Amino acid sequence: DTGVSQDPRHKITKRGQNVTFRCDPISEHNRLYWYRQTLGQGPEFLTYFQNEAQLEKSRLLSDRFSAERPKGSFSTLEIQRTEQGDSAMYLCASSPGRGTYEQYFGPGTRLTVT
Amino acid sequence: GEDVEQSLFLSVREGDSSVINCTYTDSSSTYLYWYKQEPGAGLQLLTYIFSNMDMKQDQRLTVLLNKKDKHLSLRIADTQTGDSAIYFCAEKPGEYGNKLVFGAGTILRVKS
Repeated sequence: DTGVSQDPRHKITKRGQNVTFRCDPISEHNRLYWYRQTLGQGPEFLTYFQNEAQLEKSRLLSDRFSAERPKGSFSTLEIQRTEQGDSAMYLCASSPGRGTYEQYFGPGTRLTVT
Repeated sequence: GEDVEQSLFLSVREGDSSVINCTYTDSSSTYLYWYKQEPGAGLQLLTYIFSNMDMKQDQRLTVLLNKKDKHLSLRIADTQTGDSAIYFCAEKPGEYGNKLVFGAGTILRVKS
């Protein structure tokens, strides 16, 4: 079990550019979550997938944000027309589902928008 | 509503016990969690407790839940310098959905 992996670990981009992050969950975990964490705060929920279906989205997820999990395995989170306020750590987590509710987090992608 | 509160900072001496406290507002919360985060890293799940339990022990960690007062605590016995980190309390609200709601974290500093 290699754990949840995220790529890239760090991303610096200019305001207005698009960025895409990838998350690979733990093998056979059918639930996948995206969270955002800013300095001095706990993670805030963005969205949740069960297999390939996106079942829940936070009001934090503006129209510039889109997430996919096309085959029920890895997921991508895209931010279009980045703003300085998007600078944060983007965390992915996965969960086995099937009556268990532990969420295991990846190392995160730190986004800096200049 | 959903809100989780934690104290900001705790400092202890190596070898002492640490107690980190958390309060939450959603009385229908089903699971409560403790996570550890070291600088620049993701969150490590330490332990969790189902809401119908009042205590859970796992090696040096003891979780106490007072559901009436909506109060959760994490006790770390024989605290080591490697325990220095930020500790997050989180709840899984009872409403439909699977998100976790986190507190802002407690910084634990262990002095040798």
